[in-house]
Amino acid sequence: DAKTTQPNSMESNEEEPVHLPCNHSTISGTDYIHWYRQLPSQGPEYVIHGLTSNVNNRMASLAIAEDRKSSTLILHRATLRDAAVYYCILRDGDSNYQLIWGAGTKLIIKP
Amino acid sequence: ETGVTQTPRHLVMGMTNKKSLKCEQHLGHNAMYWYKQSAKKPLELMFVYSLEERVENNSVPSRFSPECPNSSHLFLHLHTLQPEDSALYLCASSQSSGRYEQYFGPGTRLTVT
Repeated sequence: DAKTTQPNSMESNEEEPVHLPCNHSTISGTDYIHWYRQLPSQGPEYVIHGLTSNVNNRMASLAIAEDRKSSTLILHRATLRDAAVYYCILRDGDSNYQLIWGAGTKLIIKP
Repeated sequence: ETGVTQTPRHLVMGMTNKKSLKCEQHLGHNAMYWYKQSAKKPLELMFVYSLEERVENNSVPSRFSPECPNSSHLFLHLHTLQPEDSALYLCASSQSSGRYEQYFGPGTRLTVT
């Protein structure tokens, strides 16, 4: 199973952009890159996903390296409500169901 | 509010008790999932149902028994649990059991004494 590597924690100032990195050097050609986040005392929340091209939605942007071995989740203007654990996940190419979860990055937002 | 509800939110049970966790989704999805989240460990997928049929069982002990009576409801029946089963149990749903994003409920915090 392809795995992801993320920093344990990151800090950012409120109202500044945040770049959350993820390495997935063993990604296979059909693996989608998913990002979820988990706010305190809540279940995980879908943020964004992509395959090869960069993606944008109302919550964030996803920048995928050309070789697909890394990606970056971009929060354009962080707020205190963005403080959460962010998970970079690969959808298992051999299974339609499996999301291989890692430890995630704890994002701390400073006022 | 994600459209996925779970009850109860907190549960304390003894090792000889029998209890059930309930999940309901109001999104019209066809796939539902049970996950376990233990402290300091990644989320673990336990069961997957697609169109009310179980399609994945990740070697979960038989003291956990899932039930999916229809595409909107999912249960996790618990009996003779161990203290190490104490965790946050999360339910999720998706449009289908594929690459679609999953929507999670708030979870049930289970403590086994």
